[in-house]
Amino acid sequence: ETGVTQTPRHLVMGMTNKKSLKCEQHLGHNAMYWYKQSAKKPLELMFVYNFKEQTENNSVPSRFSPECPNSSHLFLHLHTLQPEDSALYLCASSQLIAESTDTQYFGPGTRLTVL
Amino acid sequence: GQNIDQPTEMTATEGAIVQINCTYQTSGFNGLFWYQQHAGEAPTFLSYNVLDGLEEKGRFSSFLSRSKGYSYLLLKELQMKDSASYLCASRDNYGQNFVFGPGTRLSVLP
Repeated sequence: ETGVTQTPRHLVMGMTNKKSLKCEQHLGHNAMYWYKQSAKKPLELMFVYNFKEQTENNSVPSRFSPECPNSSHLFLHLHTLQPEDSALYLCASSQLIAESTDTQYFGPGTRLTVL
Repeated sequence: GQNIDQPTEMTATEGAIVQINCTYQTSGFNGLFWYQQHAGEAPTFLSYNVLDGLEEKGRFSSFLSRSKGYSYLLLKELQMKDSASYLCASRDNYGQNFVFGPGTRLSVLP
């Protein structure tokens, strides 16, 4: 398998559920990102991991909890979400976060619906 | 603060040329990116500018003026498959943070 993969592709959950999104990159990159894409809103950067260390947390509510066990895997743990959290959650990876020519490669996303 | 503006929608004809503008105001700057996103799919990288001037890649070119906080994406010889959203994004000085614009939805008509 090549590129960046995400599972599940679609997820419907209640506000009291706990679920996790998974991202895996097969590109040998060392930086990984979580983005949220809502309808009619810009892509929002949520979390950044560089060499498994979290380097950015853009004021994301604590009901979203990221985990990066190694440079190839990234999780987003979800609990007690709100309906407004329904969105497309995109994972991305890049080679080296500080390099000016760094390019992000995106996964296909998980379409999340919170009921 | 960080702010990126793009037109919301544009329409052009197959075979024509279209220019999608992007203006940015960011606290730091370390590169301007353009991505293409087809409906229901992930964004894919198109181009990158960090110095002023024009970068050409086949039918697509991107221009940057750092003093004006301005970039554009130029698409030539438009094809139906170019119908997509085009996202402008800037990266800050530390390379840690990417800020995306709202995207421009381009419709290519026959």
